[in-house]
Amino acid sequence: EDQVTQSPEALRLQEGESSSLNCSYTVSGLRGLFWYRQDPGKGPEFLFTLYSAGEEKEKERLKATLTKKESFLHITAPKPEDSATYLCAVQANSGGSNYKLTFGKGTLLTVNP
Amino acid sequence: DAGVTQSPTHLIKTRGQQVTLRCSPISGHKSVSWYQQVLGQGPQFIFQYYEKEERGRGNFPDRFSARQFPNYSSELNVNALLLGDSALYLCASSSVFRARRTDTQYFGPGTRLTVL
Repeated sequence: EDQVTQSPEALRLQEGESSSLNCSYTVSGLRGLFWYRQDPGKGPEFLFTLYSAGEEKEKERLKATLTKKESFLHITAPKPEDSATYLCAVQANSGGSNYKLTFGKGTLLTVNP
Repeated sequence: DAGVTQSPTHLIKTRGQQVTLRCSPISGHKSVSWYQQVLGQGPQFIFQYYEKEERGRGNFPDRFSARQFPNYSSELNVNALLLGDSALYLCASSSVFRARRTDTQYFGPGTRLTVL
């Protein structure tokens, strides 16, 4: 069964203090790995899709990387508005007709001014 | 451009009642998926529909059912509500179901269901 584990569960940073969030996964053939941002009481907002090991994508202060077993979301010089829960999800090559996303529990990031 | 829309925003029901949640996908998107998110957890897959056919079902009881309409909108029905059904119900849409590369799922704002 596909599994996604995110660490740490919660992270507090000072504004400008760079750090990384981890997403470890086991899946029977990776079709895609997704990062989403979720604000309290709202739906997840799409950030990145990564398809294969070695791939990297960037958006403003965020950079996502992928290896065969894990993905990292690097946050450079974060601002208070980056505070949110960051969710990682995988989609497997199930060989069938189900392209569900399997999510981790998320990392709650708080950036203090 | 309008994103995924869901209605209602909030809903309060009592145990044993039935509820219907609605979702309209992004224009041009033909696949709709439903997820349940309990507080403090990541979303859990319930159903996926494409071209009005069920293409996947998660580990949820038969009290949960769904359908997709010709205009690609979708409804999620939950019968005989339990306290444990209290959650944020999320709808996600994507443009294609099968592709060489996976297609991103875009989420709506969710429906907050509270069962008393």
